[in-house]
Amino acid sequence: DIQMTQFPSSLSASVGDRVTITCRASQSIMTYLNWYQQKPGRAPRVLISAASTLQGGVPSRFSGSGSETDFTLTINSLQPEDFAVYYCQQTYRAPWTFGQGTTVEIK
Amino acid sequence: QVQLQQSGPGLVKPSETLSLTCTVSGDSIGDYYWGWIRQPAGKGLEFIGRMYVHPSYVDSHYNPSLKSRATMSLDTSRNQFFLKLTSVTAADTAVYYCARELGGAGFNWFDPWGQGTLVTVSS
Repeated sequence: DIQMTQFPSSLSASVGDRVTITCRASQSIMTYLNWYQQKPGRAPRVLISAASTLQGGVPSRFSGSGSETDFTLTINSLQPEDFAVYYCQQTYRAPWTFGQGTTVEIK
Repeated sequence: QVQLQQSGPGLVKPSETLSLTCTVSGDSIGDYYWGWIRQPAGKGLEFIGRMYVHPSYVDSHYNPSLKSRATMSLDTSRNQFFLKLTSVTAADTAVYYCARELGGAGFNWFDPWGQGTLVTVSS
C-alpha cells in the first residue's frame, strides 16, 4: 500500500495566519492527491482534488500544490471556520490511503 | 442535490456480522463508484472499499487489511448500497461512512459523504 504521511500532526495558529500542511507519499503518485477537511462530529468534505483543483464552493484562500511525492495544502488568512482536521488521500493505486491527519487549532 | 442516508445497527457482538445500508437520493446509483470509509474514535480515515455496478460487469476494490471480511453490494432498483463485515472484533469499532466517488481516470475523490454511523463491537 502507498503510505501517506502528513506533517505536522497538529499546529496552532491565529485568525489571519497563513498555514501550510505537508503530505508526503511513500512513492510517486503523480498528482492523484486530494485534500479533505473534517470538523468535529461531521463527515469529511473535499477541498481539493488532483493536487491543486479547488472544489466548487471552497473558498479561494485554500490552495494545493505538489506532485510526485510531496504536496502542500495552504490556507491563506485563516478564518475561524477553518479550525479543523485536514487529511490528504491518494488515488493513484488501490487501496486508496489517507494521511493520518493534521489538526489546525486556535492559538 | 445528492444525499446519502446511512442506516444500520449501532451495536454488534464480537464474531458477528456488521451490516450497513446507504440509501442514495437525488442521483442514480448506477452511474458512479460508491465507497465505504471508517474512522475509529479519535483516529484517522481508513478506506474499506469501492464498488461500481454496470449492467455487464462489476468493479470493486477492497482494502487488503480487512482480510476478505468485507463485502459490498449495490441494489440499483432501490438506489442502495451495502457493507457487510464479518467476524468483527473490538478493533472494528468505528464511525462508518458511505460516500459517492466522483472524477475519473484515477483523479477520483469522495463527495458527498453520508452522515456516518457509529458501530460499536461489544458483547
